[in-house]
Amino acid sequence: ETGVTQSPTHLIKTRGQQVTLRCSSQSGHNTVSWYQQALGQGPQFIFQYYREEENGRGNFPPRFSGLQFPNYSSELNVNALELDDSALYLCASSVKTGNTEAFFGQGTRLTVV
Amino acid sequence: ELKVEQNPLFLSMQEGKNYTIYCNYSTTSDRLYWYRQDPGKSLESLFVLLSNGAVKQEGRLMASLDTKARLSTLHITAAVHDLSATYFCAVERDMRFGAGTRLTVKP
Repeated sequence: ETGVTQSPTHLIKTRGQQVTLRCSSQSGHNTVSWYQQALGQGPQFIFQYYREEENGRGNFPPRFSGLQFPNYSSELNVNALELDDSALYLCASSVKTGNTEAFFGQGTRLTVV
Repeated sequence: ELKVEQNPLFLSMQEGKNYTIYCNYSTTSDRLYWYRQDPGKSLESLFVLLSNGAVKQEGRLMASLDTKARLSTLHITAAVHDLSATYFCAVERDMRFGAGTRLTVKP
């Protein structure tokens, strides 16, 4: 098991609502990346946070936003939920200048109805 | 825009056979990752390849990287059922993933 934990593990929301997902990074890691994985597809990069600032963003609308805290944990916020937002949301922690892999949390399964 | 393509997308093989999964990417990158995902689970790191010509092996899996060709391969030797999973390659420090190769190993 990695040291990356995500909460909650499962979540059901109604279209139009807002949701916050949380990720605690592995000890010693200073970078958190978020991914959306729809069923049967590869993870899609949402954004990355380093030293509490956004450090790269994929092709996702502004209603997807995030935070990183001084302890390097992170939140993903999604506003105005749409049905297509239903997916597995994964966070990965890593060391910004390191040459090792990123470690993934177990994911949050979000269902929008 | 960076594109990462894997092939095949689906692979069914017999136990004991060898096969190779390919990962092509469209722009230069200083690193390539391979991950494994079991159904309903998160991603498990297999390899990080950091330089041209890098080769890494773990058990029945061997990964290589050719940065000039923008190509990585994941070779499976003498497949066993436990290797059945989806395999992803990813490129760049923020990891842009391919679509994955769903591998099924049959007795």
